Formats: sequence, structure tokens, C-alpha cells
Amino acid sequence: EIVLTQSPGTLSLSPGERATLSCRASQSVSGSYLAWYQQKPGQAPRLLIYGASSRATGIPDRFSGSGSGTDFTLTISRLEPEDFAVFYCQQYGSSPYTFGQGTKLEFK
Amino acid sequence: EVQLVQSGAEVKKPGESLKISCKGSGYSFTSYWIGWVRQTPGKGLEWMGIIYPGDSDTRYSPSFQGQVTISADKSISTAYLQWSSLKASDTAMYYCARVRSDFDYWGQGTLVTVSS
Repeated sequence: EIVLTQSPGTLSLSPGERATLSCRASQSVSGSYLAWYQQKPGQAPRLLIYGASSRATGIPDRFSGSGSGTDFTLTISRLEPEDFAVFYCQQYGSSPYTFGQGTKLEFK
Repeated sequence: EVQLVQSGAEVKKPGESLKISCKGSGYSFTSYWIGWVRQTPGKGLEWMGIIYPGDSDTRYSPSFQGQVTISADKSISTAYLQWSSLKASDTAMYYCARVRSDFDYWGQGTLVTVSS
């Protein structure tokens, strides 16, 4: 199975700053079938990005995804207070459709 | 509006059986796969398996094959996750999600606690 490793484990930033989150796969993710999810405490995950770079419905354009093969990035251009949460990547190109362990984005 | 509504929290003893549910609405239930995801503090999010309610085609993660059963009743737009004999290690939050390839809509989660 494909193992996804996210870094950093925790990212401490302030509103208005830029956030860059990394997701590295143990083998190439076919078709760039990679998604990013945001999860806030007590809530289900929410789809942000699919196909490595396409924003899901209703997701603000400050969220962007990039990458291919084994290296993927989620960028939040200017952090808003509501963006602080845990972010997960998921590959769905090869069963089982594994998740990364998450990056916690916290207030500095 | 697409919605997935899951059944409520459960507290069970080891060895007991359990079936939790996920009811879809606001879309054609038989046209999308439904997936199940386990979340624990120690292991994060784990993809358990998926089912296509249109024909009940089911795929399991090797980690969960034989440990759980995924099923669906398309007449009532509901998918299920069941255990025949629970273990303490099954204690977790369980989510269902609509599968487009990614998981685009999620249920609110069902907390399962297994304790003697």
C-alpha cells in the first residue's frame, strides 16, 4: 500500500501568513489522484482539494494544491482565523486509499 | 443538498455485535460508492472499504477484510458497517462518506466505544 508522510507535524503561524503543507508518497500516485481534507475539532473532515490541484465546491481561492508523482503541497496564501485545523492528504489512485497522518495548523 | 446522516453513538461490551448506519439524501444513492473511514487518536484516518449501492459491489482494505462487513439497502438509501464480535480496539469514531473518487461529502460520524 502507498504510505503518505505529511510534514511538518505541527505548523505554528499567525493570521495573514502563508502556510505550506507537504505530503510525500512512498510510491507514485497514479493520475495525481490526491486529495486534501481539513478537519476541525468535533467535526468530520471536509474536502478541500481533489486531483492534486482542483478546489472542491465552495472552497476559497486562498487554498491551492500542487504536485505530482510522489510530492504534493497544500498552500494557504493568507491564513484566516477559521483556517486553523488539522489537514490530511489522501491518495485514491491505488487501493487501499490511504491517508497521511495529518498536519496540525495552530496559532503562533 | 447532499447529506449523509449516521446513527448515534454506541457503547458495547467486547464480544457483542453491532451495526451502524449511514443514510444518504439529496442525490442518487445508487450512483455513487459509499466509503467507511475509522479515526482513532493513535492511527489517524484509516480507509476501511467501499460499497456501490447500485449492485452491492464491495471492496475492503486488507487491514479490515474479515473484521467488518459493509452492506447497503438501496431501497432506503442506507449503508451499513457491522461487526460480529467487537473488541476493545474497535473503539473509534467511524465516518461514512460519498465516494466520487475522493470523499466529497461526509457523515457526522458515529462514536463506538467498546468496554467491559
